[in-house]
Amino acid sequence: AQSVAQPEDQVNVAEGNPLTVKCTYSVSGNPYLFWYVQYPNRGLQFLLKYITGDNLVKGSYGFEAEFNKSQTSFHLKKPSALVSDSALYFCAVKGNRDDKIIFGKGTRLHILP
Amino acid sequence: SAVISQKPSRDICQRGTSLTIQCQVDSQVTMMFWYRQQPGQSLTLIATANQGSEATYESGFVIDKFPISRPNLTFSTLTVSNMSPEDSSIYLCSVGGGWAMNTEAFFGQGTRLTVV
Repeated sequence: AQSVAQPEDQVNVAEGNPLTVKCTYSVSGNPYLFWYVQYPNRGLQFLLKYITGDNLVKGSYGFEAEFNKSQTSFHLKKPSALVSDSALYFCAVKGNRDDKIIFGKGTRLHILP
Repeated sequence: SAVISQKPSRDICQRGTSLTIQCQVDSQVTMMFWYRQQPGQSLTLIATANQGSEATYESGFVIDKFPISRPNLTFSTLTVSNMSPEDSSIYLCSVGGGWAMNTEAFFGQGTRLTVV
């Protein structure tokens, strides 16, 4: 069975500092990995995905994520945080033989001015 | 990408009643997914809806409580039956992510349901 873990309920970062939101996963076969963001009272927005190829993927709003197969991780990163990055972030995973996408519990990111 | 419209966007319902949520997609898709997001929680998959067959429900969700229709390749409905306050959640329709696809899932804006 596939699963995804986000070990941090909340991450606090000062504006301008680099940020990391952690994610580890477990799937059968090769993973498809995703990051989504949810702003208050809004739907989920897709940020980026890893399917195959370069382990470092770049996405929307300056975010990037690094796929690490040996550590089964897909941490979300941004070199310089903005206050507007404050939101709820979800990591998600799908096995390449699975139909459905499974979501982590979410990490609330607070960027402090 | 796909544009997904959900109706209603929000509703307040009396316990014991039922609410049907509609999901319309701007393109034909084989699989549609229904998720629930309880307050402050992650997304939990309720069921997968395929056109022309019965929906496949995840553990903990049953057809009598959450009947789903999928009459064509662009539309689906989820009914929340005999509601209780515990059903208060955001319900999200999603497309994409099927086994033959390596694309991300796209979501509607969700239906915010409050049961009183």
